[in-house]
Amino acid sequence: GDSVTQMEGPVTLSEEAFLTINCTYTATGYPSLFWYVQYPGEGLQLLLKATKADDKGSNKGFEATYRKETTSFHLEKGSVQVSDSAVYFCALSDRELGRLYFGRGTQLTVWP
Amino acid sequence: DTAVSQTPKYLVTQMGNDKSIKCEQNLGHDTMYWYKQDSKKFLKIMFSYNNKELIINETVPNRFSPKSPDKAHLNLHINSLELGDSAVYFCASSQVPSGGAYEQFFGPGTRLTVL
Repeated sequence: GDSVTQMEGPVTLSEEAFLTINCTYTATGYPSLFWYVQYPGEGLQLLLKATKADDKGSNKGFEATYRKETTSFHLEKGSVQVSDSAVYFCALSDRELGRLYFGRGTQLTVWP
Repeated sequence: DTAVSQTPKYLVTQMGNDKSIKCEQNLGHDTMYWYKQDSKKFLKIMFSYNNKELIINETVPNRFSPKSPDKAHLNLHINSLELGDSAVYFCASSQVPSGGAYEQFFGPGTRLTVL
């Protein structure tokens, strides 16, 4: 079945450091891929998305590229801020019913 | 202005009780979902309704019964609560049932604690 594997956290960085959170997926067909972010005590918010191979999603300085050949969708940001501290979830969506399959989440903490 | 709202935000109850969580969306979406987030933050889909019709029913105990009175509302009723039901339950909505470019919008969650 469809699944997402995400790098284990927690990840702790200093402000302005470079961030990579790895995400790989297994899917039948051609899923859409997402990164969601969950700030403390809140629900999930969509961070970025990509719907086909080689698409790059970007938002708030975060980027991820849909790589079909490596079945990956790694999240990157060139310079993190304290306000980026949150849990990040990689997810794929099956095109038939729209259900989201989530990775296990990566806790990011950024220190000033 | 809230897009997807849930009530209550917190729910503390005893084992064996029956409880309900309500969800409403004002986005005009056709599809709504329930997800369960466990203590390790793992999120798993439970149910989905499209225009009041159940379209996804994952392997969830039948103590859990979703109900959609109209396409803007999706409630979750849980009978005979067990300790393992303690989790955060998220409601979400999306424009169409298929995947593709349509993102899901999530509510703030309901933290259920069963004592």
